[in-house]
Amino acid sequence: GQNIDQPTEMTATEGAIVQINCTYQTSGFNGLFWYQQHAGEAPTFLSYNVLDGLEEKGRFSSFLSRSKGYSYLLLKELQMKDSASYLCAVRDHDYKLSFGAGTTVTVRA
Amino acid sequence: IAGITQAPTSQILAAGRRMTLRCTQDMRHNAMYWYRQDLGLGLRLIHYSNTAGTTGKGEVPDGYSVSRANTDDFPLTLASAVPSQTSVYFCASSEVAGGPDTQYFGPGTRLTVL
Repeated sequence: GQNIDQPTEMTATEGAIVQINCTYQTSGFNGLFWYQQHAGEAPTFLSYNVLDGLEEKGRFSSFLSRSKGYSYLLLKELQMKDSASYLCAVRDHDYKLSFGAGTTVTVRA
Repeated sequence: IAGITQAPTSQILAAGRRMTLRCTQDMRHNAMYWYRQDLGLGLRLIHYSNTAGTTGKGEVPDGYSVSRANTDDFPLTLASAVPSQTSVYFCASSEVAGGPDTQYFGPGTRLTVL
């Protein structure tokens, strides 16, 4: 199975940078995903990492270290609309996703 | 508009009743999934189907059943609902089960079992 840990809550100021860490212990690894979920809505895909290193997509970047079982999601130039829950998910060799409990990010003016 | 639809949006159900949550996608995705989301626990996989005609058990399958008679539909049935099944249920689909293909989520069904 998978054990996925991420902080419960983070608060940051508009325009700032926030880094959300995710650590995992897995019986099989086949990719790591980050999703964004606004309150009362469905999760939406943000990023995918399967090899070590940084993937950049506009204001969002995601990093993976497979040897350390570690990933982070970096949100730059924070906007009020970035207030949401961010979900880290690990895929196993059977292509099933296991999700962390999510990190609620609050952006303050 | 392409995507995933779920019905009903919300439901209040008496314990012991049978309930089927509907999920339909029009993206011709091969793989479909059912998750439940509870506060503090995140999304947990209930059942999945990698292709029409096949299904598999996820992390929390007890009390739930699924079928995948065709590509588009993946209904989730609670044979005899219990209060611990109160949750938000999300259906998701992906083009294939592997690769970089992400899962796309439906809008969710909020179920309350009394």
